[in-house]
Amino acid sequence: DTEVTQTPKHLVMGMTNKKSLKCEQHMGHRAMYWYKQKAKKPPELMFVYSYEKLSINESVPSRFSPECPNSSLLNLHLHALQPEDSALYLCATALTDTQYFGPGTRLTVL
Amino acid sequence: LAKTTQPISMDSYEGQEVNITCSHNNIATNDYITWYQQFPSQGPRFIIQGYKTKVTNEVASLFIPADRKSSTLSLPRVSLSDTAVYYCLVGEREYGNKLVFGAGTILRVKS
Repeated sequence: DTEVTQTPKHLVMGMTNKKSLKCEQHMGHRAMYWYKQKAKKPPELMFVYSYEKLSINESVPSRFSPECPNSSLLNLHLHALQPEDSALYLCATALTDTQYFGPGTRLTVL
Repeated sequence: LAKTTQPISMDSYEGQEVNITCSHNNIATNDYITWYQQFPSQGPRFIIQGYKTKVTNEVASLFIPADRKSSTLSLPRVSLSDTAVYYCLVGEREYGNKLVFGAGTILRVKS
């Protein structure tokens, strides 16, 4: 299985909602990443998990809360988001330095 | 992390060879050059990686001159499905490293 899956594919939420994005992989990769990508812009790194421990946080606002419950799952919990947080959220995993990306979750904050 | 510079966009026709050049004047000794491809509303996909001279795989070739201050991604005989954004990244081959994407090159292939 060489796939990174992300759910949901699309998400619309209000600014007072709490929602979660999910990423799953079964490739045995122990590094997992969250990226944010605005329209017509390159992906921007948010968080890196290495062996289920948070290793990099790129000064992301606390309304984004990552979680890595096990080596196959990566969650991104969302709370009190702003309309400017609307973007494509990408999950990636890596065994070495090459990263494998999921299809992303298109998030719209109203 | 070394900064990269690529053309903003390129146009080509089906069947042509496309060469996309990336400048990385401040590349460090331990840095590798990696290219990713991204289609709209999809995650980036690894294409090729190299350190020096030439690397070829089933999808593309990567040419790196001796001074390593630039590199060229070569796509042979492109098709409409090669229309995408191509990103050049430079960095060490470290597990759990951070990728810093530059602006990328929008390649448009026309029939």
